[in-house]
Amino acid sequence: EVQLLESGGGLVQPGGSLRLSCAASGFTFSNYAMSWVRQVPGKGLEWVSTISGGGGSTYYAESVKGRFPISRDNSKNTLSLQMNSLRAEDTAIYYCAKGIRFWGQNGIDVWGLGTTVTVSS
Amino acid sequence: QSALTQPASVSGSPGQSITISCTGTSSDVGGFNFVSWYQQHPGKAPKLIIYDVNNRPSGVSNRFSGSKSGNTASLTISGLQAEDEADYSCSSYTTSRSRVFGGGTRLTVL
Repeated sequence: EVQLLESGGGLVQPGGSLRLSCAASGFTFSNYAMSWVRQVPGKGLEWVSTISGGGGSTYYAESVKGRFPISRDNSKNTLSLQMNSLRAEDTAIYYCAKGIRFWGQNGIDVWGLGTTVTVSS
Repeated sequence: QSALTQPASVSGSPGQSITISCTGTSSDVGGFNFVSWYQQHPGKAPKLIIYDVNNRPSGVSNRFSGSKSGNTASLTISGLQAEDEADYSCSSYTTSRSRVFGGGTRLTVL
């Protein structure tokens, strides 16, 4: 069974940093793109970032470009999102998500349960 | 990249069919056959129900179907059931090599 387990969420002050991690199991991790998607409770989903299966290609939403580098460790089946220069508008539930194929064009087929990030003073 | 446009809400009675639209541009929905649909119950993570416009993942009921015409994709749910009541979101790949979601549609089963 495919499982994605996020960790690292919490309360952080504006301008601070946080590192999200996602432990993947139940599939050949390096064969699939991985993404982060966020959602403010009661609002729609917002794509944040995608990384290809091999880790060589990364893509970002304009709202996080230059602040949230995405990375993966295929030897440890782990996806990460380093969140820097956090703003109040980054407050959301962050989902780790598995891509349908190696590249991210086809979308997402499995989602984690999410981890909550709150940016507030 | 602007969000795809979906109706805020739709409703239907048990047994009926409903269709949810998802309108984008030639830079996203109209430019690729990489439209997917997700079902999300309150407090839960999204679940994939349609990918690549009209493909159903294993285990998803054949009551769910997808289509696309021009810049608008559609999700049809036939034989509505109480458990279909949820939020539905569309998503598309874009020419910017990014992904964009719709604002979501709340389905109410009357």
